[in-house]
Amino acid sequence: DTAVSQTPKYLVTQMGNDKSIKCEQNLGHDTMYWYKQDSKKFLKIMFSYNNKELIINETVPNRFSPKSPDKAHLNLHINSLELGDSAVYFCASSQEVGENTEAFFGQGTRLTVV
Amino acid sequence: TQLLEQSPQFLSIQEGENLTVYCNSSSVFSSLQWYRQEPGEGPVLLVTVVTGGEVKKLKRLTFQFGDARKDSSLHITAAQPGDTGLYLCAGAKGGNNRLAFGKGNQVVVIP
Repeated sequence: DTAVSQTPKYLVTQMGNDKSIKCEQNLGHDTMYWYKQDSKKFLKIMFSYNNKELIINETVPNRFSPKSPDKAHLNLHINSLELGDSAVYFCASSQEVGENTEAFFGQGTRLTVV
Repeated sequence: TQLLEQSPQFLSIQEGENLTVYCNSSSVFSSLQWYRQEPGEGPVLLVTVVTGGEVKKLKRLTFQFGDARKDSSLHITAAQPGDTGLYLCAGAKGGNNRLAFGKGNQVVVIP
């Protein structure tokens, strides 16, 4: 069983379109994240949800809207896609154990905007 | 500003050689993790270090947390092609579920 699964794995779309990426975790974790990895492999946090509530919202254009219907799911909707949105988007989940936060990542969604 | 600096960014070595990569910061972390990412996959957790000066071993990989809990190193002994990947360090500051990642050390082991 895949612990953190996200779909689709690849997404090619035209500028201006709206698209969604879905993420589900079966680890029972309370916290889920969306990260963006650019062409230089830098992994940057976008959002974090804890028990369906937004706790981290980095400086991300408001065209990006996360939605968490329950603590096992965190979807990412992107409006009016731009060329600069092309990247690999990773969903992750974590559970704090003491002061440790260890993240488990999905396989990523490679988004290409043309 | 980048919270965690990893060096070298890219390292290519022959199979059987040893290598060390570094993760440095001016911030103190409650814990630090190392992840390995292979092409087309998400990062996979290798180890978590918590105590200053702590050393953990994972087969041929040795991880050390600095005494001041600001930096860490990863040493690979007798590298193998299967060690090829992007090694990411991530620091956690307790209680806020936020992991800050470095930009990674891209390691290539040539057969």
